[in-house]
Amino acid sequence: AQSVSQHNHHVILSEAASLELGCNYSYGGTVNLFWYVQYPGQHLQLLLKYFSGDPLVKGIKGFEAEFIKSKFSFNLRKPSVQWSDTAEYFCAAFTLNNNDMRFGAGTRLTVKP
Amino acid sequence: NAGVTQTPKFQVLKTGQSMTLQCAQDMNHNSMYWYRQDPGMGLRLIYYSASEGTTDKGEVPNGYNVSRLNKREFSLRLESAAPSQTSVYFCASSGARTLTLSYNEQFFGPGTRLTVL
Repeated sequence: AQSVSQHNHHVILSEAASLELGCNYSYGGTVNLFWYVQYPGQHLQLLLKYFSGDPLVKGIKGFEAEFIKSKFSFNLRKPSVQWSDTAEYFCAAFTLNNNDMRFGAGTRLTVKP
Repeated sequence: NAGVTQTPKFQVLKTGQSMTLQCAQDMNHNSMYWYRQDPGMGLRLIYYSASEGTTDKGEVPNGYNVSRLNKREFSLRLESAAPSQTSVYFCASSGARTLTLSYNEQFFGPGTRLTVL
């Protein structure tokens, strides 16, 4: 079974700092990759997704992620974070072969004003 | 469109009690999923239904049963609740499975917070 690893459990940044959250997946076949965000007290919302094509994908709210197949990675980035980005971020990978969706453990981001 | 709806929002059970969590989607999606979310563990798939009439086990199915009542509805049942099942439960749905994988973005409901005493 595949797995998804997120390297950081809790990241604390000041406003305007740059953000990079790591994500690695273990499946060697074709995958769809996602980043979801969960604001406090809310349900998961999709930030961005990669299915095929350009490995640099742009999502909502200024987020982007880069798919590096050779590294099995899909790291999330944002050049300048805001206090409103405080949330938990989940990386996920989906494989069609077995309809398997796996989430990472999540990274809690705290942005200090 | 309401998207994915879940009931109830909160529930407290005693050990051994049973209950059913309800989920419905109005996006005409084929696939539906049940996850549990626990601190430090992310979301773990309990069961999924790739299409109406089919269900399959996910990563953590023990202690749960599911029913895909029709295309819209997918329920999760706890027959005999245990404290280890205290969690937040999320239902999700996604569109048709295709070879291009282009419809596998999942849309989530608001969650049910379950406490088992």
